[in-house]
Amino acid sequence: GAVVSQHPSRVICKSGTSVKIECRSLDFQATTMFWYRQFPKQSLMLMATSNEGSKATYEQGVEKDKFLINHASLTLSTLTVTSAHPEDSSFYICSARDLKVGSSYEQYFGPGTRLTVT
Amino acid sequence: RKEVEQDPGPFNVPEGATVAFNCTYSNSASQSFFWYRQDCRKEPKLLMSVYSSGNEDGRFTAQLNRASQYISLLIRDSKLSDSATYLCVVGTGGYQKVTFGIGTKLQVIP
Repeated sequence: GAVVSQHPSRVICKSGTSVKIECRSLDFQATTMFWYRQFPKQSLMLMATSNEGSKATYEQGVEKDKFLINHASLTLSTLTVTSAHPEDSSFYICSARDLKVGSSYEQYFGPGTRLTVT
Repeated sequence: RKEVEQDPGPFNVPEGATVAFNCTYSNSASQSFFWYRQDCRKEPKLLMSVYSSGNEDGRFTAQLNRASQYISLLIRDSKLSDSATYLCVVGTGGYQKVTFGIGTKLQVIP
């Protein structure tokens, strides 16, 4: 149980284009999903908290107009990197928490999306 | 001061050795604590949660010291397959937003 998928796993795009990344909880429901970014040899940095049916909460320094988050259902959140630039190249990982009562606070991570902007 | 601090290592240990990692956190209101394992270029995977009473899972033992605000992970009888980066993760707040440490790299050598 507690499987999270992400798609695509790897994407290369040209500077100025937009890229959409999907995060799905496959066998549980998640009102809250989290989006992280990890640069080489650095820790995961939380970008935003995605709440089903409401606006995402962005961390300080993360541009909400550049990183569009949509949490359309209890099993799907999407991150769109708009007008991507080479400095946006990174490993993007989503995570989700199980909604059901009594579940712990562990987060389950998707396999990540490696974005390369040329 | 970073919210979650870890020694990045690397720790190079021989097979069969016992190795311990510590992690300190700055927010005394933190409520949940975890150790995750991350292999190179992969997503983090939950290794174990850390409870106030401490917990053990096979060769792995985690401890929490709230007074000193640190958590520890002990790995006994290290295996080659234990080679990875171990992430200390601390949760705070209503949504249980978590903060990751930079991770401690472990390399078990034959």
